[in-house]
Amino acid sequence: DTGVSQDPRHKITKRGQNVTFRCDPISEHNRLYWYRQTLGQGPEFLTYFQNEAQLEKSRLLSDRFSAERPKGSFSTLEIQRTEQGDSAMYLCASSRDNSWGNEQFFGPGTRLTVL
Amino acid sequence: EDQVTQSPEALRLQEGESSSLNCSYTVSGLRGLFWYRQDPGKGPEFLFTLYSAGEEKEKERLKATLTKKESFLHITAPKPEDSATYLCAVISSGSARQLTFGSGTQLTVLP
Repeated sequence: DTGVSQDPRHKITKRGQNVTFRCDPISEHNRLYWYRQTLGQGPEFLTYFQNEAQLEKSRLLSDRFSAERPKGSFSTLEIQRTEQGDSAMYLCASSRDNSWGNEQFFGPGTRLTVL
Repeated sequence: EDQVTQSPEALRLQEGESSSLNCSYTVSGLRGLFWYRQDPGKGPEFLFTLYSAGEEKEKERLKATLTKKESFLHITAPKPEDSATYLCAVISSGSARQLTFGSGTQLTVLP
């Protein structure tokens, strides 16, 4: 399977703990995106990489959130000092670097529950 | 700021009963409008991209159309396996590369 993969699929943590999620994009895609989705809503953009450069961050991405893509391949999203409001599905997507309208392909997501 | 509104929020159809889902958008320079299907607990699955008014795309029982203000996803003779949430999203010249999504239409097709 050459689709986008994410790990873990589910994470349960206590408030105040740090968590880290991993995303492996489709191999020939050099753009990588993180989104967050809460129940009954569409995904909301968090941040975007082109190769290893983080080019855009949403105002939703507080100082407790950090994302990296060190070698332009996989990416990690870390949330420090988790809060109950961080509970959501965290989605990763990737796309080619050809034009504005390139299709973004999503992974299965990581479901985070903060107790 | 880009805005996407989908209607209805939920739709129940009998198998074989055709219908349409609506996606209206307000953007500063549309670069692309996207339709995705999302099953419970899974990531969105790409269906279509539309770039300009008048464009149409088809895939099996689904047909997407685009005007300057809205897009429709027409479902012809749906089957129970078409049950899912259908999401509409846009990329505009003012939004860099990120998708702005609507809240989706939850479709249930009854056998």
